[in-house]
Amino acid sequence: AQKVTQAQTEISVVEKEDVTLDCVYETRDTTYYLFWYKQPPSGELVFLIRRNSFDEQNEISGRYSWNFQKSTSSFNFTITASQVVDSAVYFCALSEAYNQGGKLIFGQGTELSVKP
Amino acid sequence: DAMVIQNPRYQVTQFGKPVTLSCSQTLNHNVMYWYQQKSSQAPKLLFHYYDKDFNNEADTPDNFQSRRPNTSFCFLDIRSPSLGDAAMYLCATSPRLAGGTDTQYFGPGTRLTVL
Repeated sequence: AQKVTQAQTEISVVEKEDVTLDCVYETRDTTYYLFWYKQPPSGELVFLIRRNSFDEQNEISGRYSWNFQKSTSSFNFTITASQVVDSAVYFCALSEAYNQGGKLIFGQGTELSVKP
Repeated sequence: DAMVIQNPRYQVTQFGKPVTLSCSQTLNHNVMYWYQQKSSQAPKLLFHYYDKDFNNEADTPDNFQSRRPNTSFCFLDIRSPSLGDAAMYLCATSPRLAGGTDTQYFGPGTRLTVL
């Protein structure tokens, strides 16, 4: 069965701190995709990154970085030097390649609060 | 800019009064999805269209229906809203379906209130 677990329900940091959001997934498929989305208070889900199961290279985009480790079934997200604008709910999601419809299995989300 | 548009952003309806939410896209994507997101929960897929092919999730209530008259538009109809249907409704699109998974791009959502 597919499952995504984001154990951290809420995180609060002070601006300029680094913060890591954890994501652990379960799947029986060998081909799958992992995603991170940001949901600010306005409600729109903003796509951040997509990773396939054959690409374990870590990725950096500005202050954002992602660490994908198949050995531990984790796909963690780090924000360096956090800013108030980073305050949002962050969702990690899984999609199996041959799952009809490309259905996204979401974690429960981590609410990040960055205080000035 | 190409995007996913949802109207209205906020919708108020009465218990039992049918309501329709709309989604349009300028991305020319084949697949359109409707999700329901209740407060402090993850989005939950209701159904999706691949072109004109409709795919319902097994646990989507019959009260929820959808129409896709053309590539650009997709509608969510709630035939008899109950208080439990109050939620954010998110529309998403992706380019295609088979052979892998494409990224889904979401609209801003419609927040539905049921009185």
